[in-house]
Amino acid sequence: EVQLVESGGGLVQPGRSLRLSCAASGFTFDDYAMHWVRQAPGKGLEWVSGISWNSGSIGYADSVKGRFTISRDNAKNSLYLQMNSLRAEDTALYYCAKAYLWGDLEYWGQGTLVTVSS
Amino acid sequence: QSALTQPASVSGSPGQSITISCTGTSSDVGGYNYVSWYQQHPGKAPKLMIYDVSNRPSGVSNRFSGSKSGNTASLTISGLQAEDEADYYCSSYTSSVRVVFGGGTKLTVL
Repeated sequence: EVQLVESGGGLVQPGRSLRLSCAASGFTFDDYAMHWVRQAPGKGLEWVSGISWNSGSIGYADSVKGRFTISRDNAKNSLYLQMNSLRAEDTALYYCAKAYLWGDLEYWGQGTLVTVSS
Repeated sequence: QSALTQPASVSGSPGQSITISCTGTSSDVGGYNYVSWYQQHPGKAPKLMIYDVSNRPSGVSNRFSGSKSGNTASLTISGLQAEDEADYYCSSYTSSVRVVFGGGTKLTVL
């Protein structure tokens, strides 16, 4: 059974940093691209970032480019999102998702909540 | 990188069919056959319903179907059931290995 478990969310002040993690199990992690998608309270889904199986291809939404960094450790079956210079508008539930090929997100975690507030 | 355009809401009666549209540009929906559709019930994670425009993952009912014409993709749900009431999102691959989502459509089963 595929499992994706996010962690690392919490309350953080504007301008500070936070690192999210996603622990994957139930599939061959290093065969698949992985993504982060966020959802602000009461709002729609927003793609944040994606990374290919070997970290050779990485993409970011314009809204986070230059502030967020996605990475993965295939030896640890883990996906990460380093978030710097956080803003109030980054407040959201952050989902980790496994891709079937690239943008088709076939499995999702339950999310970790990030709240940016002073 | 603008969001894809979806109607805010659609509704239908049990047994009827409904279609949700998803309009983008030649840089996303129109340029690639990589459109996906997701269903999200309140408080739950999204679920992949359609990928690559018209393919259904294993376990998804054949009442769900997808298509594309030009810059607009569509999700059709036939034989509406009460359990189909949810939010639906489209997404598309776009340039520079990015993905863009639609704003979401709330489906109400009357």
